[in-house]
Amino acid sequence: AQSVTQLDSQVPVFEEAPVELRCNYSSSVSVYLFWYVQYPNQGLQLLLKYLSGSTLVKGINGFEAEFNKSQTSFHLRKPSVHISDTAEYFCAVSGVMGAQKLVFGQGTRLTINP
Amino acid sequence: DAGVIQSPRHEVTEMGQEVTLRCKPISGHDYLFWYRQTMMRGLELLIYFNNNVPIDDSGMPEDRFSAKMPNASFSTLKIQPSEPRDSAVYFCASSSWTGGFSYGYTFGSGTRLTVV
Repeated sequence: AQSVTQLDSQVPVFEEAPVELRCNYSSSVSVYLFWYVQYPNQGLQLLLKYLSGSTLVKGINGFEAEFNKSQTSFHLRKPSVHISDTAEYFCAVSGVMGAQKLVFGQGTRLTINP
Repeated sequence: DAGVIQSPRHEVTEMGQEVTLRCKPISGHDYLFWYRQTMMRGLELLIYFNNNVPIDDSGMPEDRFSAKMPNASFSTLKIQPSEPRDSAVYFCASSSWTGGFSYGYTFGSGTRLTVV
């Protein structure tokens, strides 16, 4: 079974500042990793995913994440945030083999202050 | 592609009434998932289907909840009788394991259920 821990429930940052949202996972098997974003009153939208290959993954809206197998982490970063990035961000993991059930973290609320 | 379509977007019902939530997955996707989102519990997987067959319903809270997928393009989640603690946003998602890789889920916009 897999589990995900998002280390920060809320992250406030100023506009144009860099941000990192932290995610650690636990699994006894190889994994796929995902970040989703949820804007107010909307569904979840895929930001980026790690399936294999390069450990640095680039996604939409200027976000990127780095898979670190030794630290079992998949932190999300953006070098300069905008007001429009205000949203809830979810890290998720699934096992590579077998059922593709996604396990989500509790979410990190990113608030951008002007 | 219209994405995953859920209906209704909002539902307000009285305690004890039956509620039916509907989902149309993306054409060609062979997995369908029902999630519930609340402030207290976050995103909880209720049940998922593969090729219209229920695979894991261990997340269904109790017998008042039931889900069906009569064909590849339609699924329902039913709550009977509904209770105030069922108030939440219910999401449907679909995905495909083409080539053995997971491309992540595509989520619907959700149904906000309020039971008064």
